[in-house]
Amino acid sequence: AQKVTQAQTEISVVEKEDVTLDCVYETRDTTYYLFWYKQPPSGELVFLIRRNSFDEQNEISGRYSWNFQKSTSSFNFTITASQVVDSAVYFCALSEVRLVAYKYIFGTGTRLKVLA
Amino acid sequence: NAGVTQTPKFQVLKTGQSMTLQCAQDMNHEYMSWYRQDPGMGLRLIHYSVGAGITDQGEVPNGYNVSRSTTEDFPLRLLSAAPSQTSVYFCASSQGTAAAEAFFGQGTRLTVV
Repeated sequence: AQKVTQAQTEISVVEKEDVTLDCVYETRDTTYYLFWYKQPPSGELVFLIRRNSFDEQNEISGRYSWNFQKSTSSFNFTITASQVVDSAVYFCALSEVRLVAYKYIFGTGTRLKVLA
Repeated sequence: NAGVTQTPKFQVLKTGQSMTLQCAQDMNHEYMSWYRQDPGMGLRLIHYSVGAGITDQGEVPNGYNVSRSTTEDFPLRLLSAAPSQTSVYFCASSQGTAAAEAFFGQGTRLTVV
């Protein structure tokens, strides 16, 4: 069965520190997609990145980077030089291609607090 | 560019009352879904639809009904509200593939007393 685990419930860092948010997933399929979403204090969910199961290249976008490792079923998210504006709840999600009507499965989220 | 619009943003219901949460999208997306967000539980899928006239249950469907008469609208009905349905509800839409990112509404905070 599909499952997404975000073991870190809450993380607090001081501004400018680097922080990594962990995501571990379970799936029986060889074709699937992984996502990260950000939920700032205002409440809306914002898409950050998508990665398909055949692309294990790490990705960097500004201060954000993502490390996808199929061998450990992990899709971790690192924020470099964190800022107060990074304070949010971050969700990892999985969708499988094989389903006729696919479903997103979300992790329970990690609340990141960046202190000034 | 409205995206996904949810109404209302806040609602207080008494136990046993019914209501409908509205969701509309203007992106011509095939796939729409409803989630509830509870502390420590993440986002859990209630119902979803892959197109007009087609709906299916998600992880936590009990106590909720949906219908999809048009591509744009996907209302969620609470039949007889219970305190356990106190939650934040999100509507989302996406193109009809597993690769597509979801676009979310701003959420509805529902309290059942």
